[in-house]
Amino acid sequence: KQEVTQIPAALSVPEGENLVLNCSFTDSAIYNLQWFRQDPGKGLTSLLLIQSSQREQTSGRLNASLDKSSGRSTLYIAASQPGDSATYLCAVRTQGGSEKLVFGKGTKLTVNP
Amino acid sequence: DTEVTQTPKHLVMGMTNKKSLKCEQHMGHRAMYWYKQKAKKPPELMFVYSYEKLSINESVPSRFSPECPNSSLLNLHLHALQPEDSALYLCASSHGFFGAGGVHETQYFGPGTRLLVL
Repeated sequence: KQEVTQIPAALSVPEGENLVLNCSFTDSAIYNLQWFRQDPGKGLTSLLLIQSSQREQTSGRLNASLDKSSGRSTLYIAASQPGDSATYLCAVRTQGGSEKLVFGKGTKLTVNP
Repeated sequence: DTEVTQTPKHLVMGMTNKKSLKCEQHMGHRAMYWYKQKAKKPPELMFVYSYEKLSINESVPSRFSPECPNSSLLNLHLHALQPEDSALYLCASSHGFFGAGGVHETQYFGPGTRLLVL
């Protein structure tokens, strides 16, 4: 059974700092991995999706990497801003054609002005 | 347009009530999903519809009844719920073309319906 773990559970940083969020998964047979952002009481916003054959994806100040063999992904946020404060969720889609995503519990990020 | 809409935003219901949650997307997506999210927990998959057919039911109690009337709409009918069913209910959609790769696999989420069962 696929399990997804995110460390740390919470992170507080000053504005402008670069930071890394971590995600690990137990079964390396994944189809893709997706990073989401969730603001309190809101839905999820997709940030980046990495296919199993890819090593990284970039969008603006965000860079996500994937090391499938070691079961790890990182989300790098450059020059953090208060508006980046949210919970960041990592989710993996396992191989086999299932549409099911398995989520980690998330990292709650606070960027202080 | 990458929007998934959900109505209502908030819902309060008694344990004997019958209500429905609605979800709509006009992105041409053929896979639609219902998730349940409790406070400070990640979303948990409930149902998946693929090409308007139920493809995944994650052993959800029968008091939750999904319906996909057409490729743009997804409903979740609620009946005889329990207080522990109070949660944020999220709808999502994706292209649903397995193997298409890239952005086509992205799931787009709606803002959710906050449900309180008294």
